[in-house]
Formats: sequence, structure tokens, C-alpha cells
Amino acid sequence: NAGVMQNPRHLVRRRGQEARLRCSPMKGHSHVYWYRQLPEEGLKFMVYLQKENIIDESGMPKERFSAEFPKEGPSILRIQQVVRGDSAAYFCASSQDRGRETQYFGPGTRLLVL
Amino acid sequence: SQQGEEDPQALSIQEGENATMNCSYKTSINNLQWYRQNSGRGLVHLILIRSNEREKHSGRLRVTLDTSKKSSSLLITASRAADTASYFCATGGHLYGNNRLAFGKGNQVVVIP
Repeated sequence: NAGVMQNPRHLVRRRGQEARLRCSPMKGHSHVYWYRQLPEEGLKFMVYLQKENIIDESGMPKERFSAEFPKEGPSILRIQQVVRGDSAAYFCASSQDRGRETQYFGPGTRLLVL
Repeated sequence: SQQGEEDPQALSIQEGENATMNCSYKTSINNLQWYRQNSGRGLVHLILIRSNEREKHSGRLRVTLDTSKKSSSLLITASRAADTASYFCATGGHLYGNNRLAFGKGNQVVVIP
């Protein structure tokens, strides 16, 4: 059973461009979470999604950031018009329907904005 | 919101010694989890302890939870060089179906061979 997969692993963007980060949850998992980690810091919750639904986006910046988890395909975290402050590691986690307390993390996407 | 805070933040020990790190939080929780992160990598889930549990073991790991003090500790016994990593505690819950985790800043542990 493959773990949580994220791609790309590294992404370089210039200011003003768009960044798209993808996350495929573990097989059988229907809950997806996105977290952001700044250098030397812990992870900060951004958004929690189930298939086709955003359950909690209270950690998402109000502008430029959006997330989706379509019926088919991976979850996407989209950052429009990136700025240097968006440079961070973005981690996706997934959990099962039942016993969903434990979240399994992907390897992360490291975004660098030039 | 809940927030774990680890203490101490950096620990350097000799291989074979035990490593202990602490975590405190501010609000009521349903569970507390510990994760390990190797440099530049993702997080690996180590252990989960529920709010009605006081102690839990998994291999060389021992976790305690004191809900009256809102604190937890992680003990790694007989440490190995491969245990060198950052360790994070995270508090979580199922309140209203929300399962967001709140992470502390992490403990950097270096095990010297």
C-alpha cells in the first residue's frame, strides 16, 4: 500500500506565477489535510477536505490560496500570484474514515519563490 | 486554538542514552500524537495517546499524558544514531468533525555515535 504521494517534490516559481501542488492520499483514505511549514517552525494547519467537500479552511489565507479534492484524482493546493513569503514546505496528510485520528503524511513539496 | 509546545527544543546525547522531551498544550484535547521528521523529509507518525490514557509504549518509545497539567512527554530509550531527527507533538480532536492537528515547534535531537 503506497503512502501519501505528493508532487512535485520541489517547485520553483517567480513572483506572480501560480503554484499547483498535488496530493494523492493513501489508498482507502478519503480525508485530506494540508499543512505549511516555515523554516525552523512546526506545521500549521491550512485546510481539511473530504471528497468534493471543504470541511475546514480556517487556516487558509483568505486570498490567493485555494484547495480542492475532486471525486476523481488528487487533491490540489493552488497558490495564485505567489510572493516570496509563500516559500515553505507544504505537507499533505490523509486519514481513514474510521479511526481517522492518525494522519499519515506525504514527503512534502518545497516551494521556493524567487 | 490548541498548540503543542515542546521543551527542550534541542537535545544532544550519546548513543545508548535515553532522550526525553516534553510538550504542553493549552486547551482540552481528544488525543495527542508524536511525529518524527528527518531533515528535509516528511513526518513519520510515531504514537498516538488518547485523552483517557496515561501512558503508552511502542518499541523503544514511551509516551505519557497528564491532562491535568496539559502536558505530555516522549521518552526514547537506548537511542541510536538513526534517531537523530526533529520530534513534534501535535494535538488533535474530532470536535464537529474537524480533525486538524496543532503542532508545536519541535525538538531537535542529535544522537552522537
